[in-house]
Amino acid sequence: GAGVSQSPRYKVAKRGQDVALRCDPISGHVSLFWYQQALGQGPEFLTYFQNEAQLDKSGLPSDRFFAERPEGSVSTLKIQRTQQEDSAVYLCASSLVVDSFRDTQYFGPGTRLTVL
Amino acid sequence: AQSVSQHNHHVILSEAASLELGCNYSYGGTVNLFWYVQYPGQHLQLLLKYFSGDPLVKGIKGFEAEFIKSKFSFNLRKPSVQWSDTAEYFCAVNAQYKLSFGAGTTVTVRA
Repeated sequence: GAGVSQSPRYKVAKRGQDVALRCDPISGHVSLFWYQQALGQGPEFLTYFQNEAQLDKSGLPSDRFFAERPEGSVSTLKIQRTQQEDSAVYLCASSLVVDSFRDTQYFGPGTRLTVL
Repeated sequence: AQSVSQHNHHVILSEAASLELGCNYSYGGTVNLFWYVQYPGQHLQLLLKYFSGDPLVKGIKGFEAEFIKSKFSFNLRKPSVQWSDTAEYFCAVNAQYKLSFGAGTTVTVRA
């Protein structure tokens, strides 16, 4: 079946612009995660949804970052007033069960954001 | 909070050589351990995972990893690499729902 998809794959923004990154998880997956991967680093956790509920947003770097999953499927990560330090690959992952402690997270291809 | 350390940033080796990538984590409680791989131009894929039981875990493509609790380690091994194993490898720890990743090791296999 289809995996996790993300769009756009590449996004170039001028500093100060707002951007919206979309994630389509695997159908039926309850849990959805966003990670940020800076160049040369491993992914870092941003936020976690269980269905439409955002249960953890402790990794969001500032109040310019906002994520939503209003119907419990597609999720959008929005970054307001982008800064150069926001340049990174943004990864979305989903997993099937509610108890994500023991479940496998499946990753999308990521959106590479470059802020000029 | 847990953290993950990968020993090597870049490994270069020839086909048929053996590969071992080190991974250490710091967390005092129960953890799940993962190795993910990212082939050039592709997304992160799960290689193998350890939850409990036999500390020697076998994954896809001939990879295996050994969990040594006393050393807080989860090293990845492959006896004989192929050119197609060229990729970036990430060790990850999951103590709750979120994964904590190491910085990754780039493996280049020369034909």
